[in-house]
Amino acid sequence: KQEVTQIPAALSVPEGENLVLNCSFTDSAIYNLQWFRQDPGKGLTSLLLIQSSQREQTSGRLNASLDKSSGRSTLYIAASQPGDSATYLCAVLYGNNRLAFGKGNQVVVIP
Amino acid sequence: NAGVTQTPKFQVLKTGQSMTLQCAQDMNHEYMSWYRQDPGMGLRLIHYSVGAGITDQGEVPNGYNVSRSTTEDFPLRLLSAAPSQTSVYFCASRNYLDRDGYTFGSGTRLTVV
Repeated sequence: KQEVTQIPAALSVPEGENLVLNCSFTDSAIYNLQWFRQDPGKGLTSLLLIQSSQREQTSGRLNASLDKSSGRSTLYIAASQPGDSATYLCAVLYGNNRLAFGKGNQVVVIP
Repeated sequence: NAGVTQTPKFQVLKTGQSMTLQCAQDMNHEYMSWYRQDPGMGLRLIHYSVGAGITDQGEVPNGYNVSRSTTEDFPLRLLSAAPSQTSVYFCASRNYLDRDGYTFGSGTRLTVV
């Protein structure tokens, strides 16, 4: 069974600092890895998708890396802003269309 | 382009009642899935479908039924609601080529009393 772990579970940073969020998964046989953002009481918004053949993806201030062999991904958010406060979820696609989620990194950016 | 639409947004049921959570997508996605999200448990897969007429069980299927008669719709049926089914339910879809990953609906918050 694929298990996804996100560390740390929660963190607070002052505005302007870079955020580093970690995700690890137990089975390296994945098709892709997707990072989502979830605001309180809301749905999931896709941030970045990394295919299993890729090493990283970038979108604006966001950069995600993937090391499939070691079962790790890292999401970097540069120059954090209060609007970045949210829960960030990592999910891996594996098996027959199964998406396994971590429990999330709850981020608070302090103005 | 509406994406993935879930209805209703909120629902309160009494124990033993049945209901159907609706999910529709207008992106012609082949793959659709249902997840539930509970505090401390994360999102867990209930049922999924890889195309019309094809469904399979996920991690926590007990107490739920699905069918997929069209590409667009993937309803989730609660047969006899229990308090343990109090949760937020999300529907998601993706193209089989998976260029963009999964798209999620805005969720249905269900309370069973």
